[in-house]
Amino acid sequence: DAKTTQPTSMDCAEGRAANLPCNHSTISGNEYVYWYRQIHSQGPQYIIHGLKNNETNEMASLIITEDRKSSTLILPHATLRDTAVYYCIVRVSYNAGNMLTFGGGTRLMVKP
Amino acid sequence: GAGVSQTPSNKVTEKGKYVELRCDPISGHTALYWYRQSLGQGPEFLIYFQGTGAADDSGLPNDRFFAVRPEGSVSTLKIQRTERGDSAVYLCASSPGLAGFNEQFFGPGTRLTVL
Repeated sequence: DAKTTQPTSMDCAEGRAANLPCNHSTISGNEYVYWYRQIHSQGPQYIIHGLKNNETNEMASLIITEDRKSSTLILPHATLRDTAVYYCIVRVSYNAGNMLTFGGGTRLMVKP
Repeated sequence: GAGVSQTPSNKVTEKGKYVELRCDPISGHTALYWYRQSLGQGPEFLIYFQGTGAADDSGLPNDRFFAVRPEGSVSTLKIQRTERGDSAVYLCASSPGLAGFNEQFFGPGTRLTVL
């Protein structure tokens, strides 16, 4: 699976949009981009995934560049409960057997 | 509905002892994963079960680690002759195991401390 690069930490003001970048310059054509987050003392939680089109769900939006070498996770109105470590993962397809390969992630701190 | 549960939530043991960590997946999920997370790092894959069989155990660090899932539901991760370096949070995840997208649902983890 392709390697990802994320900033170690970011701050965001409560109520503002949080934009979390991820570089995956070696991504292959059949690899998806996944985002998970891990709130303190909990297991990781799935947020969103995409292949090449932008995606939106009730939690977040995922913007993937046209060349697919980078992406941005957007939390449109960050709350204190969004403080967590956010992991960007790329992996081939989404078959059940594929494990997740986590990097260090971005520690997002949402401040009042 | 009930999520993935793991017991115990905390386990303290002495170096050289044997420990068992239990995972109860979401009912009906055929795929089950174990991960290990050291302080300040992302989770690392250990082993994946599809049904009762271990389909991929490439992440197990050595032969002191073993996992079973005899009836295709509950899984137990077993660690023999524990070492201080085994101290970590052990996470279990399950997914439906169907064709197509399979979100992995994680439990809260078991924090293992080896003294």
